[in-house]
Amino acid sequence: ETGVTQTPRHLVMGMTNKKSLKCEQHLGHNAMYWYKQSAKKPLELMFVYNFKEQTENNSVPSRFSPECPNSSHLFLHLHTLQPEDSALYLCASSQGLATTYEQYFGPGTRLTVT
Amino acid sequence: EDQVTQSPEALRLQEGESSSLNCSYTVSGLRGLFWYRQDPGKGPEFLFTLYSAGEEKEKERLKATLTKKESFLHITAPKPEDSATYLCAAATLNRDDKIIFGKGTRLHILP
Repeated sequence: ETGVTQTPRHLVMGMTNKKSLKCEQHLGHNAMYWYKQSAKKPLELMFVYNFKEQTENNSVPSRFSPECPNSSHLFLHLHTLQPEDSALYLCASSQGLATTYEQYFGPGTRLTVT
Repeated sequence: EDQVTQSPEALRLQEGESSSLNCSYTVSGLRGLFWYRQDPGKGPEFLFTLYSAGEEKEKERLKATLTKKESFLHITAPKPEDSATYLCAAATLNRDDKIIFGKGTRLHILP
């Protein structure tokens, strides 16, 4: 595997389900990110981890819970989601923080909440 | 308020017809301006970073330029494979460092 991988690629879940998204980066980077991408809207930064420590949480609802067990893996735990949470969820990594270094993105998980 | 605006929202060109995409930014201080390309069903792919007004970078048919208020992505003699959504993002240089993305320009090159 190379670059940034994400699983699953597609996910359909009901509002009462609990699921997790997984991201793995094979680039030796120190920072990892979760973004939400919705139609007609800019990429929304959700969470930032730098050296496994969460450095940013952009007022994301508590139904989204991130976990970063090491600098190569990032999870997004989902529970009690709403239909408006349907979107493409992108994981990214960078050598350092994204304000200085370019980010490398995974292919995303297309989430549909029914 | 910091913001990034891209125009046009969508652009259709004939193969070989050169044009430019615009990214206007309003930030308290610019650390860097990033351009990404996103193909359908994929994550964004890094193209360029520009740091100071007057800077230019090129890659194949693409050239990115930067002024104090905006950045342009010039596409020379495009080919159908250049069709994609192009995103720009401004990284701020202040105590609350952040990166702000525009909504993107959807580019379609007709053969």
